[in-house]
Amino acid sequence: GEDVEQSLFLSVREGDSSVINCTYTDSSSTYLYWYKQEPGAGLQLLTYIFSNMDMKQDQRLTVLLNKKDKHLSLRIADTQTGDSAIYFCADPTGGGNKLTFGTGTQLKVEL
Amino acid sequence: GAVVSQHPSWVICKSGTSVKIECRSLDFQATTMFWYRQFPKQSLMLMATSNEGSKATYEQGVEKDKFLINHASLTLSTLTVTSAHPEDSSFYICSARDSGLGTEAFFGQGTRLTVV
Repeated sequence: GEDVEQSLFLSVREGDSSVINCTYTDSSSTYLYWYKQEPGAGLQLLTYIFSNMDMKQDQRLTVLLNKKDKHLSLRIADTQTGDSAIYFCADPTGGGNKLTFGTGTQLKVEL
Repeated sequence: GAVVSQHPSWVICKSGTSVKIECRSLDFQATTMFWYRQFPKQSLMLMATSNEGSKATYEQGVEKDKFLINHASLTLSTLTVTSAHPEDSSFYICSARDSGLGTEAFFGQGTRLTVV
């Protein structure tokens, strides 16, 4: 089955850039997603990228997609304390009807 | 964006009792809803896909008799944890996709279940 992997933890200083990485195995998806989960809450869709794109920028967020290496990354510029959360990449599988989530990366922003 | 509401947000129940969790799409119709389970500091694991008017599709290893899913209308799916035990304690999250457009799935805020 589909396997989506992320590093578990990332710590950055406020104002620095954060880069969260994700690797996946199913390359047939039309989209790939990034979600944010704050403590005790559901998931919030941050951004997504079409599989035929290499890069997408949305304000402080930049998504890079390397289809050859099946690697996805999320860069957060000028990271703030409010960005502290768990970030999940997600790959639609089963014909796009189901989401397979990565293991999640906990981002901690320090002052 | 669209809103998905889960109720309750948290529940504590005694071992052996059953608990029902509701997932509602508030401003859109959802033919399909998804139920996930999340253990502390872990990812979301898809439990089942709930289809309006038909039986749910369960993922491998998920006991359909233990986790009863009903999707009686286009805006409501329920997950009932039957004869709950402490090992069922977890964070349960539902998501719903707007039947009319797009592929984005909207998530509820989750339900924290603690079985004592």
